[in-house]
Amino acid sequence: DIQMTQSPSTLSASVGDRVTITCRASQSVSGWLAWFQQKPGKAPKLLICKTSSLQNGVPSRFSGSASGTEFTLTINSLQPDDFATYFCQQYKSYPWTFGQGTKVEIK
Amino acid sequence: EVRLVETGGGLIQPGGSLTLSCAASGLSVSSNYMTWVRQAPGKGPEWVSVIYSDGTTYYADSVKGRFTISRDNFKNTLYLQMDSLRLEDTAVYYCTRIFTMGSGGWIPFDYWGQGTLVTVSS
Repeated sequence: DIQMTQSPSTLSASVGDRVTITCRASQSVSGWLAWFQQKPGKAPKLLICKTSSLQNGVPSRFSGSASGTEFTLTINSLQPDDFATYFCQQYKSYPWTFGQGTKVEIK
Repeated sequence: EVRLVETGGGLIQPGGSLTLSCAASGLSVSSNYMTWVRQAPGKGPEWVSVIYSDGTTYYADSVKGRFTISRDNFKNTLYLQMDSLRLEDTAVYYCTRIFTMGSGGWIPFDYWGQGTLVTVSS
C-alpha cells in the first residue's frame, strides 16, 4: 500500500498568512494526488486533483505543487473560511489512501 | 444538481450485519464509478470500496470478504452490505463518486453524501 504522510498535523496561523501543508508519498503516485478540505460535521470537499488542478469554484488562493513524491498545498492570504482540516489522497493504485490530516487553527 | 443521500446506519453488535443505501439524484449510479469512503471518529478518511460502471469491484483489505458493494440501476441506488462487523468498523460512511474523463484521467470523490454513522458496540 502507498503510505501518505502529512505535516504538520496542526498549524496555527492568522488571517492573511501564507500557509503550506506537505504530503509525502511512500512511492511514486505519478501526480495522481488530490487535496480535500473538511469542516467539523461535514463531508470532505475536493479542492485540487492531479496535483495542481483546482476544482471549479475553489478560490485561486489555493494551489498545489509537487517535487518528486513530496506534494504541497499552499493557501495564500488565509481567509476565515479556510480554518479547517486538510487531507491529501493518492489515487494512483488501490487501496487509495489518505494522509492523516492537517488542522489549520486560528492563532 | 447532484445529490447523494445515505441511509441505514445505526448501532449494531459485533458480528452483526447492516446494509447501507445511497440514493442518488442528478447522476446515474450505473454509468459512474461509485465508491464508499468511511471516517472513524477523529481519524482521516479511509477508502472502502468501488464499483465501476462495468460492474468491476474493488475492496480495501480491511473489509474484503465481509463487505459487498452493489447497485440497483432502476432505483439509482448504491448499497454496501456489511457482514461480520467489528468494533473497528465504527465510522461515518460516505457515498462518493469518481468522475472518469475521456482522456483516461480520474477526478476522485468530487461528490459526497452527508454520511451515515455506523456504531459497532456491545
